[in-house]
Amino acid sequence: DQQVKQNSPSLSVQEGRISILNCDYTNSMFDYFLWYKKYPAEGPTFLISISSIKDKNEDGRFTVFLNKSAKHLSLHIVPSQPGDSAVYFCAASTNAGNNRKLIWGLGTSLAVNP
Amino acid sequence: DAMVIQNPRYQVTQFGKPVTLSCSQTLNHNVMYWYQQKSSQAPKLLFHYYDKDFNNEADTPDNFQSRRPNTSFCFLDIRSPGLGDAAMYLCATSRGGSGTDTQYFGPGTRLTVL
Repeated sequence: DQQVKQNSPSLSVQEGRISILNCDYTNSMFDYFLWYKKYPAEGPTFLISISSIKDKNEDGRFTVFLNKSAKHLSLHIVPSQPGDSAVYFCAASTNAGNNRKLIWGLGTSLAVNP
Repeated sequence: DAMVIQNPRYQVTQFGKPVTLSCSQTLNHNVMYWYQQKSSQAPKLLFHYYDKDFNNEADTPDNFQSRRPNTSFCFLDIRSPGLGDAAMYLCATSRGGSGTDTQYFGPGTRLTVL
């Protein structure tokens, strides 16, 4: 059973516009959420994260929103740039003692068109 | 710059011929992870080390082994690679401990099995 779901496999956005990537989760024990960006033939790059005690975290053009009651988070990229074209993975974790395993979504492929 | 390094970036091996992939880190992180990622899929955790403590995922085949001789290095050994083991292998590190913890990934090793 998929505990972290990214229901949109792909998204296409015009340069300069906002990109919104969505992620839903089912496990209410998740308390830390991360977004990773992945280019082809490279490892995932950490982008931004949010703790469950917050509902928003912002870093430059990237903002993550968390709605715990809906078990939903979203990543906003404003303005979108062609270099943002990549696969974006949402991941979640719980505090399991000294080890935090990441539960991954299947990713959303973002294409930003010039 | 502190980073996670994987060598080689591309590895070709023959069916059944043992292969070793290496990972090193300059982040001085306690935890090192090995993931397998196939096209259009999320990374799949194979195992991880918290310091010297080895944690194997229940569904990781016996064909996959790992060694961590010191804090900086971790190796993935595939004893008898099959065609189904062709994938991107990702190494990641994190500080570990309680609280929020972010995993940082290396660039990956693309394994081809002939």
